[in-house]
Amino acid sequence: GAVVSQHPSRVICKSGTSVKIECRSLDFQATTMFWYRQFPKKSLMLMATSNEGSKATYEQGVEKDKFLINHASLTLSTLTVTSAHPEDSSFYICSAPGDGNEQFFGPGTRLTVL
Amino acid sequence: GQNIDQPTEMTATEGAIVQINCTYQTSGFNGLFWYQQHAGEAPTFLSYNVLDGLEEKGRFSSFLSRSKGYSYLLLKELQMKDSASYLCAVRSFSGGYNKLIFGAGTRLAVHP
Repeated sequence: GAVVSQHPSRVICKSGTSVKIECRSLDFQATTMFWYRQFPKKSLMLMATSNEGSKATYEQGVEKDKFLINHASLTLSTLTVTSAHPEDSSFYICSAPGDGNEQFFGPGTRLTVL
Repeated sequence: GQNIDQPTEMTATEGAIVQINCTYQTSGFNGLFWYQQHAGEAPTFLSYNVLDGLEEKGRFSSFLSRSKGYSYLLLKELQMKDSASYLCAVRSFSGGYNKLIFGAGTRLAVHP
């Protein structure tokens, strides 16, 4: 099946700094990618839809200035958590739809803000 | 709005059968998915239903009733490695693209 990668897999940063997470579709093109966050023992919450060549679409309650999304090419979307705070600590997962019905998920990025 | 409900936790015995239910309310319904997720890992695809009925795939089966907004995942011949969270997700078409919205997940514990 198709592969989606994320980098980094883990990141620890100080409060107030910004962190960039990359999501790549390795063997297919993705005009749309999705970003989710997941708190411990909770389900995935859709944050935003990343659209290649246009602005991302954010879900209600997600701050677009806090979580900057850039879909620079057909294989790369980035999520930047700006001025990170401890409450931003979470598991961030991206996904991309394939040609069929399946959606392919990246391995996730564990962000810890001290 | 969208609402997806599934039980929080279930336990079952190795070798047994377990059924995990999911009810949903959504607009623009365009399919229902079941995913398995182990702690700290990304979800892995289990099944997909868009029409009413049962889809069977080895030890796993999934059922959908669109009129009732209801689905279930059936796991047979349970193994210890099946201990994981099972996520019900509804795909809805909105704003020109499909979005996948997840339920809270059901944590399944399989014991000997």
